Amino acid sequence: DIVMTQAPLSVSVTPGESASISCRSSKSLLHSNGITYVYWYLQKPGKSPQLLIYRMSNLASGVPDRFSGSGSETDFTLKISRVEAEDVGIYYCGQLLENPLTFGSGTKLEIK
Amino acid sequence: QVQLQQSGAELTKPGSSVKISCKASGYTFTSYDISWIKQRPGQALEWIGAINPGSGGTGYNEKFKGKATLTVDKSSSTAFMQLSSLTPEDTAVYYCARGYLGYWGQGVMVTVSS
Repeated sequence: DIVMTQAPLSVSVTPGESASISCRSSKSLLHSNGITYVYWYLQKPGKSPQLLIYRMSNLASGVPDRFSGSGSETDFTLKISRVEAEDVGIYYCGQLLENPLTFGSGTKLEIK
Repeated sequence: QVQLQQSGAELTKPGSSVKISCKASGYTFTSYDISWIKQRPGQALEWIGAINPGSGGTGYNEKFKGKATLTVDKSSSTAFMQLSSLTPEDTAVYYCARGYLGYWGQGVMVTVSS
């Protein structure tokens, strides 16, 4: 199975500042079709996860453009610019390249 | 709008089985796979498996083979997951999600306790 390793475990951010979350996969997530199958999800407290970024760098519908995704074949970053109170929750990276789909252990974002 | 409406919370005893549902609306049910994901309290997400509603074809995480069985009823646009031989380690919230997990149900809390 592909292992997804996230860092940090938690991050505390002042509103208006930026935050970055890293994710590393144990195998390249670049498919031969040129698409990198890493996804980012946010689980707000008491809610279901919601899709933020798909295929490494594409913003999901309705997601503010303060969120952005980037990376290489195995190293990925989610950046949140101008953090707001509504951004609190646990962020997960996930690989959807092959079964079984696997996720990172999550990064908890808190507001200072 | 796309919605995945899951059934209600379940309280069951060890050794029993439970079947939870996920009713889809707002799109063509047979056009997207439905995945099932487990989340134990305070833990990360675990993919259980997925089903293609059109063909009925399934793919399972090896860890959940023999534990979970995925089915669909196309006539009601509903996906089902049956969990068998339940133990306290099966206590978790179970989510259904569409396609590349772009839409999620609200989750079902399954509690296994004697």
